[in-house]
Amino acid sequence: GENVEQHPSTLSVQEGDSAVIKCTYSDSASNYFPWYKQELGKGPQLIIDIRSNVGEKKDQRIAVTLNKTAKHFSLHITETQPEDSAVYFCAASRQGTYKYIFGTGTRLKVLA
Amino acid sequence: NAGVTQTPKFQVLKTGQSMTLQCAQDMNHEYMSWYRQDPGMGLRLIHYSVGAGITDQGEVPNGYNVSRSTTEDFPLRLLSAAPSQTSVYFCASSYLTTGELFFGEGSRLTVL
Repeated sequence: GENVEQHPSTLSVQEGDSAVIKCTYSDSASNYFPWYKQELGKGPQLIIDIRSNVGEKKDQRIAVTLNKTAKHFSLHITETQPEDSAVYFCAASRQGTYKYIFGTGTRLKVLA
Repeated sequence: NAGVTQTPKFQVLKTGQSMTLQCAQDMNHEYMSWYRQDPGMGLRLIHYSVGAGITDQGEVPNGYNVSRSTTEDFPLRLLSAAPSQTSVYFCASSYLTTGELFFGEGSRLTVL
């Protein structure tokens, strides 16, 4: 079945440094790739998403890149802050199926 | 504006007992879904619905039932609880056209 692999599972960075989380998907027909942030005791919240007709999308300190050929997409966070500490999930979906396959999550710790 | 509301937040069951996790949304979303979150396994889709009267299975549907009699509500039923169903359960909803999932705050279920 469809699968999304996410790496690394944990990531520690110094405040102000950049963080990169990578995901690989198996279903070549996937065309929607969201990223969710989950803070302790809360439900996940969408932070950025990208569709297969673009290669990169930015929103302030957050960016996502997509390589359809390699079936690979990444989350980039620049100038990290302590409030960026959370668990991040990538996901992939094919339009019309309404099924979202999530990665296993990355626990990001930003050290002050 | 409450968003997605899940009840109860915590529940302890004995093996073989049944229970219903409630989910309600006030955003008029067509799509509603249930996920379970287990350590190291990310979020896995249990069941989903694209409108009242329409439900379908996700990745891990066994042992769970759902129904969608109204746009607002999407209850998840455990018919005969098993220790393997110990997990944190999230309800999520979205418009069919946008894809952005809005999650509830989760329900932590322990089956003894």
